[in-house]
Amino acid sequence: NAGVTQTPKFRVLKTGQSMTLLCAQDMNHEYMYWYRQDPGMGLRLIHYSVGEGTTAKGEVPDGYNVSRLKKQNFLLGLESAAPSQTSVYFCASSPWTSERNTQYFGPGTRLTVL
Amino acid sequence: KQEVTQIPAALSVPEGENLVLNCSFTDSAIYNLQWFRQDPGKGLTSLLLIQSSQREQTSGRLNASLDKSSGRSTLYIAASQPGDSATYLCAVIGASGSRLTFGEGTQLTVNP
Repeated sequence: NAGVTQTPKFRVLKTGQSMTLLCAQDMNHEYMYWYRQDPGMGLRLIHYSVGEGTTAKGEVPDGYNVSRLKKQNFLLGLESAAPSQTSVYFCASSPWTSERNTQYFGPGTRLTVL
Repeated sequence: KQEVTQIPAALSVPEGENLVLNCSFTDSAIYNLQWFRQDPGKGLTSLLLIQSSQREQTSGRLNASLDKSSGRSTLYIAASQPGDSATYLCAVIGASGSRLTFGEGTQLTVNP
């Protein structure tokens, strides 16, 4: 049981390049999330999904797109990377929305945009 | 818009000391409040979850309290150890029930 995994762990892009971050979970969770973590800003929600085939915007969605074609995978895309997108990206999942449920986090992807 | 604030931003204590981390939130209509631990270069690990109807939760040397009416939570760590050194994050889920709002965290260092 691997939990939540993220690919890649590190990446360096040039401005204008595109890339896709992959998040996978093997816990059969309904909900999945993408966050970014920046110094002095804490974790901020980019996009989330409440089930296969669904996506919704979070707090800072601009410049990112997501897809949830399979329940276990949640993809985060950057179509034209900008230096402002240099950050650590975390994926998380949870079974459903409940007072008793927490979110399970992946190890993060450190992205640098030059 | 929900805002979560954690004080202090950093804390350094000698081993064995009891300590308290503080979290405050602006909108008391929360679903639950959670405390996470983050080690350098790692993801987040859930420590304690307090449901909106609860006042506190305990796990080992950790005790978290929740006062919804005043918008405050505390994380109490007893008999601190060097292995407790990490960043501790507080987060709340609002009335919509699906989105966590995080504080910026308290960076704790426990010195041997």
